[in-house]
Amino acid sequence: SQTIHQWPATLVQPVGSPLSLECTVEGTSNPNLYWYRQAAGRGLQLLFYSVGIGQISSEVPQNLSASRPQDRQFILSSKKLLLSDSGFYLCAWSVWGGNQPQHFGDGTRLSIL
Amino acid sequence: DAKTTQPTSMDCAEGRAANLPCNHSTISGNEYVYWYRQIHSQGPQYIIHGLKNNETNEMASLIITEDRKSSTLILPHATLRDTAVYYCIVRGDGGSNYKLTFGKGTLLTVNP
Repeated sequence: SQTIHQWPATLVQPVGSPLSLECTVEGTSNPNLYWYRQAAGRGLQLLFYSVGIGQISSEVPQNLSASRPQDRQFILSSKKLLLSDSGFYLCAWSVWGGNQPQHFGDGTRLSIL
Repeated sequence: DAKTTQPTSMDCAEGRAANLPCNHSTISGNEYVYWYRQIHSQGPQYIIHGLKNNETNEMASLIITEDRKSSTLILPHATLRDTAVYYCIVRGDGGSNYKLTFGKGTLLTVNP
């Protein structure tokens, strides 16, 4: 069966520090991969999605970037974190295909001090 | 994507069926109805999805009205672990439509 791993589960970072969050998927090949953010008390917002290695689409302009160096690895990064980057970051995957559901990881709770 | 409307909260007794309604009156022909739930501090969990036929899996049943303007998620025997926020999402199946738009959902509280 397919599994998705995200780490770390929680992270506290100072303003201006860099960020790297990693997500890996097991048990499937060539998945679509997604990064979402959930700010406190708000709904999920799609940040990036990827349909293949090196292919990244950004949904909203922001202080973050994403990379997909391997088929089942998706990385969310920032060079300098802002206070507004705090939130719950979720990685998801889906099988290629328009109506296929997305499956989420357990998320990383990021607090910026 | 079509907008969905859900009640803010619902209560259900443990062991009884939980019926969660969702209105999506502006749904178009190629849009699917998806249901997810989110337990506090966890990632959303996929439950079920459908286009126009009723669907059932090991977690729940999805009943879509004939005009597709509304649907109901049924948890046949609710347990305390089913307490969560349930999201009804409508999304098309084509092109670059990858985004799932989560609204406020319905907080289902299962009581002992």
